[in-house]
Amino acid sequence: QKEVEQDPGPLSVPEGAIVSLNCTYSNSAFQYFMWYRQYSRKGPELLMYTYSSGNKEDGRFTAQVDKSSKYISLFIRDSQPSDSATYLCAITQGGSEKLVFGKGTKLTVNP
Amino acid sequence: GAGVSQSPRYKVAKRGQDVALRCDPISGHVSLFWYQQALGQGPEFLTYFQNEAQLDKSGLPSDRFFAERPEGSVSTLKIQRTQQEDSAVYLCASSFEYNSPLHFGNGTRLTVT
Repeated sequence: QKEVEQDPGPLSVPEGAIVSLNCTYSNSAFQYFMWYRQYSRKGPELLMYTYSSGNKEDGRFTAQVDKSSKYISLFIRDSQPSDSATYLCAITQGGSEKLVFGKGTKLTVNP
Repeated sequence: GAGVSQSPRYKVAKRGQDVALRCDPISGHVSLFWYQQALGQGPEFLTYFQNEAQLDKSGLPSDRFFAERPEGSVSTLKIQRTQQEDSAVYLCASSFEYNSPLHFGNGTRLTVT
């Protein structure tokens, strides 16, 4: 079993939809949880960074962590075509120690 | 520039050739990481530097891979006797200090023919 599991999709939604992206992890020692967005032929760009269980909101993005279930989610409200990208979850034991990434979910938002 | 800079952006090598990939981190960033991203996969950790010290090289896939950061700023990832399975995007990331988020460059896409 991989340390982080993420459904690779692809996921296609109409503009304005609410998008839900998810990852599960196996090691309870992981303490820091991140979501990165990666456009084609670009490096990953940090979207959200959380430490504790619960929700963290930033504009149209909400990150949710459930440590008891080892489950993390990213919600995108009012999705836009510019949100079309691959979304990667990443987790780590320390804050900036080596990250363990999911496979990434490719999202397309259709106008 | 403001971000992590990597060069070259694209590299084509014949099997058996040696390659060197360069990373210029954000100025003042202490930590530097190398990741390998195969097509359709998430990045996988290769190695980590804190200043000039290589603190973790557990992700390097073989002894053909070597990384250095001699003055604690620019880093080079060298791959000797390249093989087809080395074809991937090599990403460099830096962070200001321990426990701060990573900033990634746009990577070097290596194709071994």
